[in-house]
Amino acid sequence: EIVLTQSPGTLPLSPGERATLSCRASQSVSSSYLAWYQQKPGQAPRLLIYGASTRATGIPDRFSGSGSGTDFTLTISRLEPEDFAVYYCEQYGSSPLTFGQGTKLEIK
Amino acid sequence: QITLKESGPTLVKPTQTLTLTCAVSGFSLSTNGVSVGWIRQPPGKALEWLALIYWDDEKQYSPSLKSRLTVTKDTSKDQVVLIMTNMDPADTATYYCAHFHYHDNVRYFDYWGQGTLVTVSS
Repeated sequence: EIVLTQSPGTLPLSPGERATLSCRASQSVSSSYLAWYQQKPGQAPRLLIYGASTRATGIPDRFSGSGSGTDFTLTISRLEPEDFAVYYCEQYGSSPLTFGQGTKLEIK
Repeated sequence: QITLKESGPTLVKPTQTLTLTCAVSGFSLSTNGVSVGWIRQPPGKALEWLALIYWDDEKQYSPSLKSRLTVTKDTSKDQVVLIMTNMDPADTATYYCAHFHYHDNVRYFDYWGQGTLVTVSS
């Protein structure tokens, strides 16, 4: 099983700042099969990025994904108030499908 | 427009069997390339994948829960059903169903249901 470790667990930042979230895999993951999701309290997760770097439909361009192999990054260039949420990475390059434990982006 | 909606009991007793239904619209469960998954989330915790069912009835399960899970689909009713046996308080969670995109050499959950909270308690 591929374990996805996200860091940091909590990231306190202010609106307008840049956020860098990390997702590290215990084994190499094909970039095609790495996705990022955003989840706000009381809501279902929302797809942000798939294929490690492709924004999903309707996702603002301040969100970007990068990485390959075992190290992947989600970057939010300039934080908007609505971006404060929990972010999860997910892989299904190798069974079983796994999620990271999440990074909570909170207002500083 | 693709939508999914979960339904089922909000409270089950320990050792009971949970049956959840996911009603889908905007796509057909029999169309080549379609898949639906189940994911759960205990309160305040991370997402956990449970199962996937494909258009051709292929099924995949989380290894840690495989012995307790069964996923089926009823194409005529546009429904996917998840059955989990021997429920325990540790299974208390919000259960989501989601449309799984797995072609074009990418894989991801692109549409999610609203989720249904299931509490396991005597």
